[in-house]
Formats: sequence, C-alpha cells, structure tokens
Amino acid sequence: SQQGEEDPQALSIQEGENATMNCSYKTSINNLQWYRQNSGRGLVHLILIRSNEREKHSGRLRVTLDTSKKSSSLLITASRAADTASYFCATGGGGKLIFGQGTELSVKP
Amino acid sequence: GAVVSQHPSRVICKSGTSVKIECRSLDFQATTMFWYRQFPKQSLMLMATSNEGSKATYEQGVEKDKFLINHASLTLSTLTVTSAHPEDSSFYICSASGGGDSNQPQHFGDGTRLSIL
Repeated sequence: SQQGEEDPQALSIQEGENATMNCSYKTSINNLQWYRQNSGRGLVHLILIRSNEREKHSGRLRVTLDTSKKSSSLLITASRAADTASYFCATGGGGKLIFGQGTELSVKP
Repeated sequence: GAVVSQHPSRVICKSGTSVKIECRSLDFQATTMFWYRQFPKQSLMLMATSNEGSKATYEQGVEKDKFLINHASLTLSTLTVTSAHPEDSSFYICSASGGGDSNQPQHFGDGTRLSIL
C-alpha cells in the first residue's frame, strides 16, 4: 500500500524557477528519502533525511521534514530542463521502501 | 557509487511465455534485493524481498508461484514471470543497498519493460 500523498501530481515551470514538491506519510519513520525517475528508467537516489533532522541540503536540492505533521518537502532551486522527471518520496526500513504517488515535474526551456 | 544492473531492458513476448529478469549488483554484495512493479503513471509497488540463499518474502497479494524469485549468489537475483499474460505487462525494477543499515539509500536497476501480447 502507498505511504501517502504527494502534491502536486504534476508541476510545469519555466527554466530558472524553483520547484516545490510535498509529501505526506502515515506511519512513524526512521528516515525519508527522495528519488528521481527519468521516463522509462530506474530510480536515482537524491537525498535522505533522518527523523531527527529538520532540513538538509544537497546542491540545488533542499529537503525539509516535519515529523509532527508527517510531511516533507523537496525544493529544487534554479531549475533546468534536465530536471524534468518524476520525483518520489519514500519511507521504510531495511530497503523495503513505500513510495508516494510521485510528482511529475516538467521544466520548460 | 554502487551500481545495479538489470537485464533485459525490454521484453515483448507472446502470452503463455515465461520471462526471466536478472538483477545484478556490480560492485558490491547484496544479501537482500527488492523487486518492484510500476504501472504507467503510477508509483512503485514492492512485490517481494529476495534473500540470498533462502526463500523470497512476498508482499500481500503477490502470487509467489507466478513470480518466481531466485537469489543464488550475493550479486544476482532473478525474477521469473511464469506463463505471462497481458495483465502482467508492466515495468519491473529491482533494487539493492550495500549495507543492512536502514539509513542506506537503495540503488535501482534501470528497469525491465515487459509487454505481453
């Protein structure tokens, strides 16, 4: 079963703009991960935030985690056309991941 | 970084055929690998956990006789879709991590698109 909801389901922006995606989950977690999937490909790990962390950065990515609201957000700054992909949040331990529904991001040049 | 290779990338075959998909960890050993299924425009659903040297653990609703999993070595897990039918058409993806720590990210193969005619 799916862990929760992601919104928006689809997001279309212009190159250079920021993109924000949100994820909610239902159960308690040790960590939350964000993955990216290009069309027809496997998933690429972007960032992992632990339950005792509130914010984490990696390059143009910024992830926040609010365990009281059981929610997380992924911000991509200064987006590029190459960022066009689907983005999924995932929770779970020992490799058994439960994914959100995903956000399909389209960055127009 | 850790690399997971999945083969084949695409299979088109007739109904009733059995199809084998391989998942290999190229530069690390994986005692556990995971198999997911993804329908178009949807998220990934965990099908089963592949355990090296022992039986796979299947998620609720996944037919173990339909989806045979073999994990005979620390670098290879195979998923065989037996007597495939059109409803088995989907995108199948495997993953593995280099360690048992739950805070380790998963490394995914590039997926196998299975089309049953």
